[in-house]
Amino acid sequence: GESVGLHLPTLSVQEGDNSIINCAYSNSASDYFIWYKQESGKGPQFIIDIRSNMDKRQGQRVTVLLNKTVKHLSLQIAATQPGDSAVYFCAEGDTGANNLFFGTGTRLTVIP
Amino acid sequence: KAGVTQTPRYLIKTRGQQVTLSCSPISGHRSVSWYQQTPGQGLQFLFEYFSETQRNKGNFPGRFSGRQFSNSRSEMNVSTLELGDSALYLCASSLGGRNTEAFFGQGTRLTVV
Repeated sequence: GESVGLHLPTLSVQEGDNSIINCAYSNSASDYFIWYKQESGKGPQFIIDIRSNMDKRQGQRVTVLLNKTVKHLSLQIAATQPGDSAVYFCAEGDTGANNLFFGTGTRLTVIP
Repeated sequence: KAGVTQTPRYLIKTRGQQVTLSCSPISGHRSVSWYQQTPGQGLQFLFEYFSETQRNKGNFPGRFSGRQFSNSRSEMNVSTLELGDSALYLCASSLGGRNTEAFFGQGTRLTVV
């Protein structure tokens, strides 16, 4: 079955530094990938997505990189701010199936 | 426009009882997915409804069921509750087509005692 995992369960960065959160996936059929941010007491919040026909996509302060060869996904956050402290989940999906499989999450802590 | 609304926010039930959770999707969204979130298992997909039909189902026992109404609102039901059912239940809505960008509600925190 599908499995989505994370290399690091926790990540601490200094305010202003760049953060990189990594994710591995195993289902070659997945063609849609999303990063979510979840703050305490809230539901996951969409950050950025990427389809399998791309290898990079940029948003506001965030960049997602997709390496289909090694089934690896990463989220880069530029100039990390205290408000970025949260748990970050990667999710993979098949747009035909319309459901997502989530990784276990990485807790990002930004040190002021 | 309003986001995804889940009710109730918190619920305490005893083992053996059944529970019904409600989700109102974003206006215009026809797909509603349900997820269970626990510290040990993370976010796990329960099922997805689109136009009142269950379109996808995860690997959960038959005690977990759901339905969707003509206005796209969805309910999920858990019967014969077990202690291990204690979790945050999240609902996500999307347009339902190839754009699977899903927006989550704040969840219902279920505690089974």
